[in-house]
Amino acid sequence: AQSVSQHNHHVILSEAASLELGCNYSYGGTVNLFWYVQYPGQHLQLLLKYFSGDPLVKGIKGFEAEFIKSKFSFNLRKPSVQWSDTAEYFCAVTTGSSNTGKLIFGQGTTLQVKP
Amino acid sequence: EAQVTQNPRYLITVTGKKLTVTCSQNMNHEYMSWYRQDPGLGLRQIYYSMNVEVTDKGDVPEGYKVSRKEKRNFPLILESPSPNQTSLYFCASGKRYQETQYFGPGTRLLVL
Repeated sequence: AQSVSQHNHHVILSEAASLELGCNYSYGGTVNLFWYVQYPGQHLQLLLKYFSGDPLVKGIKGFEAEFIKSKFSFNLRKPSVQWSDTAEYFCAVTTGSSNTGKLIFGQGTTLQVKP
Repeated sequence: EAQVTQNPRYLITVTGKKLTVTCSQNMNHEYMSWYRQDPGLGLRQIYYSMNVEVTDKGDVPEGYKVSRKEKRNFPLILESPSPNQTSLYFCASGKRYQETQYFGPGTRLLVL
């Protein structure tokens, strides 16, 4: 079955530290890739997405992600985190074989940024 | 403002008492979907709809019903809620399936 794996469940960083959150998916065909963020008590918001083209994707709030097809990965990065980045981050995928439009989510990574 | 709205945002109910969670979008999206979010499991799809009058089961449809009589609305119905349906529910919509989905604010449900 298709799945998405996020390696880090809980990450604690100090402000200004660099961030990289891992995401791997298990599907060999065409994929659309997403990172969503959920701030405490809020709904999921789209951070960035990749459908095709340049594998380095820039999103909102200084986040970026790189699609590496050979590694089935779509890692999220930010050079310098802020306290306001404290949130839960979800990687998600839709696959070319899907006729349901279903987003397959990873388990999520909780990021805590210490001021 | 383009958005997906859900009501209610919080609900406490008892086992067996039928309830409906409403979902509405104002973006003229064809695709709508319901997910539930549980700790350690991420989000899982309950039901989806490709367009008006076209609905189908997702990964965890047991105990839920949906309808899509109008393009903008996609209510989630729990005919006889049980405690294992205690969860955080999100409605989402997208222009078409496979495209970006935009999420509502969530409905936190507690079934006693």
